[in-house]
Amino acid sequence: AQSVTQLGSHVSVSEGALVLLRCNYSSSVPPYLFWYVQYPNQGLQLLLKYTSAATLVKGINGFEAEFKKSETSFHLTKPSAHMSDAAEYFCAVSDPNLGNEKLTFGTGTRLTIIP
Amino acid sequence: EPEVTQTPSHQVTQMGQEVILRCVPISNHLYFYWYRQILGQKVEFLVSFYNNEISEKSEIFDDQFSVERPDGSNFTLKIRSTKLEDSAMYFCASSVGRARETQYFGPGTRLLVL
Repeated sequence: AQSVTQLGSHVSVSEGALVLLRCNYSSSVPPYLFWYVQYPNQGLQLLLKYTSAATLVKGINGFEAEFKKSETSFHLTKPSAHMSDAAEYFCAVSDPNLGNEKLTFGTGTRLTIIP
Repeated sequence: EPEVTQTPSHQVTQMGQEVILRCVPISNHLYFYWYRQILGQKVEFLVSFYNNEISEKSEIFDDQFSVERPDGSNFTLKIRSTKLEDSAMYFCASSVGRARETQYFGPGTRLLVL
């Protein structure tokens, strides 16, 4: 079964500082990987996804993530945090081999930006 | 930009009552999903639906749950006899294809069972 682990349920960074949110996956084959963001009282919005093309994926709002097979990781980064980045971030995985459609989510990381 | 919509945004019901949560997926999408998020927990998959039938369901999706696409636009989740532990945010999602395709999520329906 596919799974993802998000290290750090809460992360705080200063405005302008680097954002690093960690996600490690468990899979016997390279999966498809996604990062979603959830702003307060809103639904989930896709930030970016990895579907076996380029390992460095650029998303919206200046975020990017790098798929590292050797580390089974897909960490999310942003060079300079903005106050509007405060939200909950979810890493998710799906299994291309099974041909199923479900996303399996991590437990989420709440990002706080310090002015 | 097309978006997934859900109604109602909030629903309060008594234990044992039936509820129907409604979703309007993006119009050219073919795959439809329900997920739920219990307060403070992670988002969990409930069911996927394609070609007018369930294609996958989780162990959470027991006989108390059902899904339907009654017409060309709506996608519904019915809980037959609600329990306290059904209190959660329910998200509908849709996608144009499988696996690598992006699932677009609605804003959710917050269900509170008393």
